[in-house]
Amino acid sequence: AQTVTQSQPEMSVQEAETVTLSCTYDTSESDYYLFWYKQPPSRQMILVIRQEAYKQQNATENRFSVNFQKAAKSFSLKISDSQLGDAAMYFCAYRSGTSGSRLTFGEGTQLTVNP
Amino acid sequence: GAGVSQSPRYKVAKRGQDVALRCDPISGHVSLFWYQQALGQGPEFLTYFQNEAQLDKSGLPSDRFFAERPEGSVSTLKIQRTQQEDSAVYLCASSTREAPLYEQYFGPGTRLTVT
Repeated sequence: AQTVTQSQPEMSVQEAETVTLSCTYDTSESDYYLFWYKQPPSRQMILVIRQEAYKQQNATENRFSVNFQKAAKSFSLKISDSQLGDAAMYFCAYRSGTSGSRLTFGEGTQLTVNP
Repeated sequence: GAGVSQSPRYKVAKRGQDVALRCDPISGHVSLFWYQQALGQGPEFLTYFQNEAQLDKSGLPSDRFFAERPEGSVSTLKIQRTQQEDSAVYLCASSTREAPLYEQYFGPGTRLTVT
């Protein structure tokens, strides 16, 4: 079974600064996808960024980028120029490319952005 | 277009009562997922539908949990004889093969409190 671990229950960052959220995962599969989701207090889960495991190039979406280290099974999220609206719970998630479509989530990291 | 909707948003049940939680997926989305999110934790997979077929129910925690999607659109998650450990937010997500990496779009969730 796949597992996803987020070792930082809480993180804080000053507005306009950069923060990195960590995620590691364990799998024996070679075909899979990784995601970062944001869950604001309203609880609607929103996709932030996605990464295909077969792609070596790290995904970027505006101020959000990932550092995907496949051999180390690491998938960190970097948020640049942090904004107050970035404050939320962030979840790292794994989805198999072959054996089904469920998402396996980490425990989450609560991000606080200080003005 | 409308996103995934869930009702009710909040439900309080006395221990032993039956509850029914509704999910309206995005129109045309073939895949539908239910997740359970305990307080302070990441969502955990419950069950998956493709159209009206329940293809994976391995995450349902007990036989008190039952889900259906009879016409391949709206889905209902039913919990019989609720217990305190059932208190959680229940998230519904839908997906289509046309979305990149079959992205899952989440609803706002139903917060169930069992007293």
